[in-house]
Amino acid sequence: DGGITQSPKYLFRKEGQNVTLSCEQNLNHDAMYWYRQDPGQGLRLIYYSQIVNDFQKGDIAEGYSVSREKKESFPLTVTSAQKNPTAFYLCASSPFVINYGYTFGSGTRLTVV
Amino acid sequence: SQQGEEDPQALSIQEGENATMNCSYKTSINNLQWYRQNSGRGLVHLILIRSNEREKHSGRLRVTLDTSKKSSSLLITASRAADTASYFCASAHNTDKLIFGTGTRLQVFP
Repeated sequence: DGGITQSPKYLFRKEGQNVTLSCEQNLNHDAMYWYRQDPGQGLRLIYYSQIVNDFQKGDIAEGYSVSREKKESFPLTVTSAQKNPTAFYLCASSPFVINYGYTFGSGTRLTVV
Repeated sequence: SQQGEEDPQALSIQEGENATMNCSYKTSINNLQWYRQNSGRGLVHLILIRSNEREKHSGRLRVTLDTSKKSSSLLITASRAADTASYFCASAHNTDKLIFGTGTRLQVFP
């Protein structure tokens, strides 16, 4: 079955550490996105990529980095520069065609310890 | 912030009742989408309505769009306990980036 897989489901980060969240899709979608969700709130866009080897900052990119070396993969690194990283992180993909919905992964919950 | 707004923030109803949630957005759109999120899970796409459409149905879901008021509503008819979730609207503008609303938490009691 086609879908989008995020791993790990839970991740704990110590102060000053970088951590990387994985996102893989087998839907042959061109575009991929990373969102952050804080408790009881909506989604805020971190980074997005519409084509391999290219990506753009979203609304809250500071303290995060991404790469898009393969169409199927869009990992997100939460760096030590991100001062409040505890949140639920969601990856999504779409065909990069207007009037199509996004497919979301099941999310990664990151906690700073 | 470009985020859209939804109301109510929370809604509690009994099984069998209808649930209506509203969404407002700020700039002209290509389409507006509704998503559902069960607690601690990813979002699931429910329905998409294009800017030139006024109403759309999918099973027990009915979506309306009023571009003059920059607003949309989602109606869930004959609700079930399994409809308990958060519901988000998302507006698509000139790019394929979606701007999500703040969500409505729906609780359906058996």
